[in-house]
Amino acid sequence: SQTIHQWPATLVQPVGSPLSLECTVEGTSNPNLYWYRQAAGRGLQLLFYSVGIGQISSEVPQNLSASRPQDRQFILSSKKLLLSDSGFYLCAWSEFTGGEAFFGQGTRLTVV
Amino acid sequence: ILNVEQSPQSLHVQEGDSTNFTCSFPSSNFYALHWYRWETAKSPEALFVMTLNGDEKKKGRISATLNTKEGYSYLYIKGSQPEDSATYLCASNNAGNMLTFGGGTRLMVKP
Repeated sequence: SQTIHQWPATLVQPVGSPLSLECTVEGTSNPNLYWYRQAAGRGLQLLFYSVGIGQISSEVPQNLSASRPQDRQFILSSKKLLLSDSGFYLCAWSEFTGGEAFFGQGTRLTVV
Repeated sequence: ILNVEQSPQSLHVQEGDSTNFTCSFPSSNFYALHWYRWETAKSPEALFVMTLNGDEKKKGRISATLNTKEGYSYLYIKGSQPEDSATYLCASNNAGNMLTFGGGTRLMVKP
């Protein structure tokens, strides 16, 4: 069966520090991978998605970037965190674009 | 990006009450409508994926209907229990495109 792992669960980082959140999927190959952020009153906001290794699409211009160095690994990064980057981040995968999404446990990021 | 809206934003009900909430989405080029339940400290889990106009799906005390012509879906919970307390998210997409999530309905069931 497929599983998705996301870490860390919580993170407190100072403003201006770098960020790296990692997500891996097991039990499937060539999944679509997503990074979402919980936006107040807006449910889940799609930040990045990837349909294959090295293929990244950004939905929202911001202080973050994503990379997919391996088929089942998706990384969310920032070179310098802003206070506004605080929030709850979720990684997810699906078999195809627009298919049912399976979510990781999420990361609560607090930038201080 | 589609405009997917949910109402109400939050809802308080007593244990045993039945309740329902709404998801509206663009009806043109519709492909699928998803409902997810998101409990505190857990990750969202899919309840239903619906594609056909008039479709109705049921899982225990929870059911959902879909009207693709007018662009809305209802989620019903019969005899709410405290364990039903969660945020319920709907998401819609056009063929080949990403899911767009609504703002969610936060349900709180009081014992």
